[in-house]
Amino acid sequence: QKEVEQNSGPLSVPEGAIASLNCTYSDRGSQSFFWYRQYSGKSPELIMSIYSNGDKEDGRFTAQLNKASQYVSLLIRDSQPSDSATYLCAVTRNDYKLSFGAGTTVTVRA
Amino acid sequence: DTEVTQTPKHLVMGMTNKKSLKCEQHMGHRAMYWYKQKAKKPPELMFVYSYEKLSINESVPSRFSPECPNSSLLNLHLHALQPEDSALYLCASSRSGGAYEQFFGPGTRLTVL
Repeated sequence: QKEVEQNSGPLSVPEGAIASLNCTYSDRGSQSFFWYRQYSGKSPELIMSIYSNGDKEDGRFTAQLNKASQYVSLLIRDSQPSDSATYLCAVTRNDYKLSFGAGTTVTVRA
Repeated sequence: DTEVTQTPKHLVMGMTNKKSLKCEQHMGHRAMYWYKQKAKKPPELMFVYSYEKLSINESVPSRFSPECPNSSLLNLHLHALQPEDSALYLCASSRSGGAYEQFFGPGTRLTVL
């Protein structure tokens, strides 16, 4: 079993729709959770961090964390073509080591 | 300012060459990282420096040699690389402590011939 698993893509959504990305992790000692966006040929860009159970909203992005279910998700509302990218879920025990999922590629159709 | 800079952007080297990758941050972060990323894969951690001391080496071959001259700079010295070492090399930094967000630089695209 992989440490961090993301829903397999690619995920294709129409412009203006909600894109829903899921991530599960196996290490119950994980403390901090991050979502990175990576455009093709570019480096990962941090878009959300979440540390406690519940929802965290930042603009069109909402991260949700449920430690009991070992689940973290990212919702992208009002999806735009510029949201087309690979989204990486990353978790850590707060020991400097990030465990990344394989990534989910999102394509927003105009 | 959440900027990490890396030079060069692209590097092509032969298997007998010696080259260095450079990384710089001016955010006052005290942890700096080297990652390697192959196409369509997530980043893989190579090294972590905390307060200018090497704290994590993920069993990286000795042909990769990290150096942290000061709290703002991080180098990766390359020697006798193999073609399979061709990848995107990413530098990242974070505030001290393992819980903090890591911010990535733009990366160096390395090709080993």
